[in-house]
Amino acid sequence: EAGVVQSPRYKIIEKKQPVAFWCNPISGHNTLYWYLQNLGQGPELLIRYENEEAVDDSQLPKDRFSAERLKGVDSTLKIQPAELGDSAVYLCASSLGWPGTDDTGELFFGEGSRLTVL
Amino acid sequence: AQSVTQPDIHITVSEGASLELRCNYSYGATPYLFWYVQSPGQGLQLLLKYFSGDTLVQGIKGFEAEFKRSQSSFNLRKPSVHWSDAAEYFCAARGLYGNKLVFGAGTILRVKS
Repeated sequence: EAGVVQSPRYKIIEKKQPVAFWCNPISGHNTLYWYLQNLGQGPELLIRYENEEAVDDSQLPKDRFSAERLKGVDSTLKIQPAELGDSAVYLCASSLGWPGTDDTGELFFGEGSRLTVL
Repeated sequence: AQSVTQPDIHITVSEGASLELRCNYSYGATPYLFWYVQSPGQGLQLLLKYFSGDTLVQGIKGFEAEFKRSQSSFNLRKPSVHWSDAAEYFCAARGLYGNKLVFGAGTILRVKS
């Protein structure tokens, strides 16, 4: 079974340019997450989707970041315009759903999209 | 506030030596606890998890972790480290009624031959 797929793996852009990242979660996983990982730090949640609904986007900088999950499957994360401080790895993860149901609580991560803003 | 602390930024061990990576959590109630490993340029892979029951949890690649409620700790151990274990290790927690996974800052493991 395919894992979480992210693209592009690497992206280099100049500041003020837009950038978009795409994520395809594991088939059947209702919950999708976008995490931000700065160098030397643990991942931090940006946004969580339950199917198509963004249920936790409190950490998403909404002035420049946006995300969508159309049809409750694939998701895109966009930054416009990008700033130097946005250089980081953007991780997508998926899970079955809510702990205590059939969900074991495990998140499955993609390999990440590494963004460099010059 | 909910938090996960990994006190050691870097740890270096000799190949074949034992390993213990520390993790402490701060939650109102005992959360679900996880250890993930991340090799350079790769995503995170789950090593093991603790929900309830036996406080000594076995994972993949020969790793185990022990949950200690009195110390709010969930330390990761391996009796004999291999060079391929060199990576960054993240402890994480999520509350019983939430889906938000909170990560520690990570511990970079170096293995010397």
